[in-house]
Amino acid sequence: DQQVKQNSPSLSVQEGRISILNCDYTNSMFDYFLWYKKYPAEGPTFLISISSIKDKNEDGRFTVFLNKSAKHLSLHIVPSQPGDSAVYFCAARRDNAGNMLTFGGGTRLMVKP
Amino acid sequence: NAGVTQTPKFRVLKTGQSMTLLCAQDMNHEYMYWYRQDPGMGLRLIHYSVGEGTTAKGEVPDGYNVSRLKKQNFLLGLESAAPSQTSVYFCASSDDFNEQFFGPGTRLTVL
Repeated sequence: DQQVKQNSPSLSVQEGRISILNCDYTNSMFDYFLWYKKYPAEGPTFLISISSIKDKNEDGRFTVFLNKSAKHLSLHIVPSQPGDSAVYFCAARRDNAGNMLTFGGGTRLMVKP
Repeated sequence: NAGVTQTPKFRVLKTGQSMTLLCAQDMNHEYMYWYRQDPGMGLRLIHYSVGEGTTAKGEVPDGYNVSRLKKQNFLLGLESAAPSQTSVYFCASSDDFNEQFFGPGTRLTVL
């Protein structure tokens, strides 16, 4: 039973347009959410995070939105660049589980020049 | 700073063989983790450690053992490898509740 799901395995967008990556979760005990980016043959790198007490967090071209009632979060990348092409994982942390993360299955983003 | 390093980068084993994957971090982090990544499954936590000398089971611990004898090192052992353990293995480390930093991964194939 996957507690964190990324229902789109892949997404293709044109350079300069907006990329929207989605993530759904089922466990209401999750209180902190993160997005990681992964290039081939490399480890995941932290991108952006959001606490459950907020509904938006922005860092440059990257914005994460959290809708707690829908148990849904999304990552917006504006404008998208070819270097953003990678696999994106969302992850969630429970408030009573130390720093253990539960990851979604990932979405492969392809940004076309 | 090298961050998180993993040894080896690639390995091919035969069913029943054993091996140890080494993870080292130079950030003085208390927490260390071992994950496996399989297609469509994301990263799943195998074992983790909240400090030197401690280990705990994660989501998929069966068939693996770990040790944290030194703060900077976290070892993952496979005593009798099975084809189902073919995967990419990632080590990570973190301070308490901050983001985790990942190593480059070890690609393991069990024939």
